[in-house]
Amino acid sequence: DIQMTQSPSTLSASVGGRVTITCRASQSIDNWLAWYQQKPGKAPKFLIYKASTLESGVPSRFSGSGSGTEFTLTISSLQPDDFATYYCQQYTHNGPLSFGGGTKVEI
Amino acid sequence: QVLLVESGGGLVKPGGSLRLSCAASGFSFSDYYLTWIRQAPGKGLEWVSYITTRDEATYHAESVKGRFTISRDNSKNSLYLQMNSLRAEDTAIYYCARFGTLTGGFDCWGQGTLVTVSS
Repeated sequence: DIQMTQSPSTLSASVGGRVTITCRASQSIDNWLAWYQQKPGKAPKFLIYKASTLESGVPSRFSGSGSGTEFTLTISSLQPDDFATYYCQQYTHNGPLSFGGGTKVEI
Repeated sequence: QVLLVESGGGLVKPGGSLRLSCAASGFSFSDYYLTWIRQAPGKGLEWVSYITTRDEATYHAESVKGRFTISRDNSKNSLYLQMNSLRAEDTAIYYCARFGTLTGGFDCWGQGTLVTVSS
């Protein structure tokens, strides 16, 4: 099974700052990577798919990049609403799916 | 409006069984893969199971293989998770989610249902 490793597990940032989260796959997943945002007590929200395509309605300050085994999620100018936990997730056809361990973005 | 509503969670003793349901509306249910994802208290997300559009195939995480069974009824727009031989480590919020094979992601989630396994 493919393991997903996110780093850091927690990061402190300020409003207006730039944030980068890394996700590494234990083997190549091409660009089959998605990102989610989760706030306490809520279901996750779908942000990005195919590594870099923004889901409809997601602000353009969010961006994703990468392919193969290394991926990043960047928030260009952090807003108060962005303080949350972020997860990456891989998809392999006809196989198990998996999430990264999460990155909590806090003030 | 796409809506997924889970039900069936609750308190169960170790070794017991529970059946979760997820009622869907607002989209063409039979056109989508569907999944169960769980989150233990204070922990991250864990994919549990997914099922293809017409039940051609199902996949389960190793942690639940042989104990949990995912199924669907396209005539009722409903997804199910039969959970047997429950363990304390199965305690979690269980979410059903719609999966897009073109995106490779879960684009719609329910609100979750809490399963607690404890004596």
